[in-house]
Amino acid sequence: EVQLVESGGGLVKPGGSLRLSCAASGFTFSTTWMNWVRQAPGKGLEWVGRIKIKSDGGATDYAAPVKGRFTISRDDSKNTLYLQMNSLNTEDTALYYCTTHPGWNYAWGQGTLVTVSS
Amino acid sequence: DIQMTQSPSSLSASVGDRVTITCRASQGISSYLAWFQQKPGKAPKSLIYAASSLQSGVPSKFSGSGSGTDFTLTISSLQPEDFATYYCQQYNSYPYTFGQGTKLEIK
Repeated sequence: EVQLVESGGGLVKPGGSLRLSCAASGFTFSTTWMNWVRQAPGKGLEWVGRIKIKSDGGATDYAAPVKGRFTISRDDSKNTLYLQMNSLNTEDTALYYCTTHPGWNYAWGQGTLVTVSS
Repeated sequence: DIQMTQSPSSLSASVGDRVTITCRASQGISSYLAWFQQKPGKAPKSLIYAASSLQSGVPSKFSGSGSGTDFTLTISSLQPEDFATYYCQQYNSYPYTFGQGTKLEIK
């Protein structure tokens, strides 16, 4: 069974940084493109970004609101996905989900809450 | 960016009813469309991928159709556990975008 477990969320001041992690199991992580999606309190879903697998160059793509501030990376030896978030602002307050790539066996973690507030 | 518009935004129905939710893309996305169910306080659960393929373990009461710009999710014989918010998502091109959601409530 696919399992995705996010961690690293918390309260951070505007302008601060945070790194989220997502531990993956139940599937071949190294051959799976991965995504981050977020959901602000009481709002809909917003795609944050995606990372390809190493054999596809490990390329990343980001949504416009986070481009240049957020960085997605992966450690295939640890089956772990990361989201480094810098220059955080209040609009980044959200529940952050780690997901596999859309398509067959599209799976979501339970999310980790990031609150940006002074 | 591709805009995804769901209708209706909310829907009241009774147990046993059949309901249809529509998702329209601002430009063609072939069949790169997924549908999700989300219950309060829970992570989204994937129901449908490639517009009409059922994810493993999802009951056949859920069905999807469409291609290009117009898509539908149909839920037959509603049960209490089906009352939730439903989202569509296009994954044809970046940035991947979601519909605003359709809240399905018990009448």
